[in-house]
Amino acid sequence: KQEVTQIPAALSVPEGENLVLNCSFTDSAIYNLQWFRQDPGKGLTSLLLIQSSQREQTSGRLNASLDKSSGRSTLYIAASQPGDSATYLCAVYNAGNNRKLIWGLGTSLAVNP
Amino acid sequence: EPEVTQTPSHQVTQMGQEVILRCVPISNHLYFYWYRQILGQKVEFLVSFYNNEISEKSEIFDDQFSVERPDGSNFTLKIRSTKLEDSAMYFCASTGGPARKYFGPGTRLTVT
Repeated sequence: KQEVTQIPAALSVPEGENLVLNCSFTDSAIYNLQWFRQDPGKGLTSLLLIQSSQREQTSGRLNASLDKSSGRSTLYIAASQPGDSATYLCAVYNAGNNRKLIWGLGTSLAVNP
Repeated sequence: EPEVTQTPSHQVTQMGQEVILRCVPISNHLYFYWYRQILGQKVEFLVSFYNNEISEKSEIFDDQFSVERPDGSNFTLKIRSTKLEDSAMYFCASTGGPARKYFGPGTRLTVT
């Protein structure tokens, strides 16, 4: 059974720092992995999607990597800003007939001005 | 960019009442989903829907839950007799295939 874990659970950094959020999953048979952002009490905003055949994806200051064989993904945020403060969720899309996303609990990020 | 929409944004209901949460998926998508997130917990899969029928459901999705696509645009989640533990954020999602899922903004359900 697929399990997704995110470390750290919470992170507080000063503005301008580069930071790395970690996601690990137990079953490497995935179609893709998505990183989402969730603001308090709000919906889920998709940030990056990495297909199982890809190693990384970039969007602006965000870079996500995927090492499927070791069951790991990282989300790198460059030059963090207070507006980046949110919870970042990792979710994997299992291969096979199972079309559901399996989610981590998230990393709660606070970027302090 | 196309969007998934959900109504209402917040629903307050009394225990035992029926609620219907509504979603309008992206128009050319074929797969539809409901997920929920209890405060402080992981997002959980409830049900997937394809070709006018449920393709998979979780153990959470018991007889109190049902889904419907009553017309060509709406996708609804009905809870027949709400319980306190049904209080959560409910997210609708749609996709055209095994790729990026597009999520709606969610409906916050509060059962009192």
